[in-house]
Formats: sequence, structure tokens, C-alpha cells
Amino acid sequence: GAVVSQHPSWVICKSGTSVKIECRSLDFQATTMFWYRQFPKQSLMLMATSNEGSKATYEQGVEKDKFLINHASLTLSTLTVTSAHPEDSSFYICSARAPRQGRSYEQYFGPGTRLTVT
Amino acid sequence: AQSVTQLDSHVSVSEGTPVLLRCNYSSSYSPSLFWYVQHPNKGLQLLLKYTSAATLVKGINGFEAEFKKSETSFHLTKPSAHMSDAAEYFCVVSDRVDSNYQLIWGAGTKLIIKP
Repeated sequence: GAVVSQHPSWVICKSGTSVKIECRSLDFQATTMFWYRQFPKQSLMLMATSNEGSKATYEQGVEKDKFLINHASLTLSTLTVTSAHPEDSSFYICSARAPRQGRSYEQYFGPGTRLTVT
Repeated sequence: AQSVTQLDSHVSVSEGTPVLLRCNYSSSYSPSLFWYVQHPNKGLQLLLKYTSAATLVKGINGFEAEFKKSETSFHLTKPSAHMSDAAEYFCVVSDRVDSNYQLIWGAGTKLIIKP
């Protein structure tokens, strides 16, 4: 099946610094990628949808200037957490949407990146 | 608006006994429905999906789910639980928003397997 990778798998950074997380679709082209955030013992919260070559669409309540998303190619999207603070500590998951099959699109998920801001 | 309700936040069963994880959805059109599993410190894995073909869907690891339109349900079952099934399970519906498809996530059900 389709594989999505994320790098790094975990990162610890100091408050005020920026962190970049990469999401790659390894064996298919993804015109759309999604970024989710998952708090402990909670479900996934969609942060933004990014389409290759265009600006990301952010969900209500997600700060565009804090969570910078770039989808420069059909296989790579990046999420940069700028000026990170401890409350940004979370598990970030990306997914890539595979080409449509029949009635549905299928999303494939990366393994997630655990960010800890100290 | 579309929504997904997972009726139990935790389900605890003994190893070797049946598993039932309940999911109800609301959708204004014929939905696609999914079950994902998330093991501790691991990524999400698709267990199975329903896309308007057979209403009884078989997935990986012995799981299956039945789409019941009249009950707006998509419950996940397995005849015999295994210790390795302990994980968080998410019921998801595919929703069309502004000509794009998004996934609407349930809150998750933690499956606990007792030896």
C-alpha cells in the first residue's frame, strides 16, 4: 500500500525556536496533504489542508503565522512551528490523499512527530 | 453537518472473547466510512473501509464492520480478541466540503484486552 513518511519522528526544542516537520508520500503523488494535531488521549484535530502549489487552507482557530505549511511538490509537504512554546507540544500527524479510486479518496497517514517544547 | 459518534470511550474485554466497538454517524449523503487503529507510539493504520459496495466489510487482523443505513451505524467487530489488539480505534466518515473530501473523526475508543 501507499506509504507516507514523517521526519523527524520526535523532536525536543527550546521555547522560542522554530521546528520543521517533513511529510513525504513515498510511492505516490499526493495533490493534497493534511496536517493534524493530536493531544494526549484525544482524537485527531485537522489543522490545515494543503494543495500542491497553492496556499494551505487552515481550520478555524489555527494560527497561520505560527504553523507555516508549504506543499512545494507532489510528494512533500512541510509544517514549520514558529517561535514554539510549551503549549505547542503535541503529536503532529500528516496524511496524503491518494488519487481517487471509485467514489472515495483514501488518506494515508504518516507515523507522526512528537514535538516537545521545553 | 456530518458527524461521528463513538459510543464508548473505553472497551475492556478478555482475550479470546468477542470485540464490539460502536460507531454511529450522521451524513446527508451516501458516506464512505473507515475504521483506523492507532497503537501506542505508532502511526494510524487503516483497518477497513466502506464505500457503498458490500455492507459487510472485512478488514485486516480479523476485524469486520457492517454498514447499516437504517441505523446509521458502522460497528466494528472481531470474534476473538488478541492481546495485540489493544489500541485506540477511530471511526471516520468521509465528508465533502467545498468540493473537497475531508475526514470527520470520532473521538476514539480505547480497547483494553485482559489476559
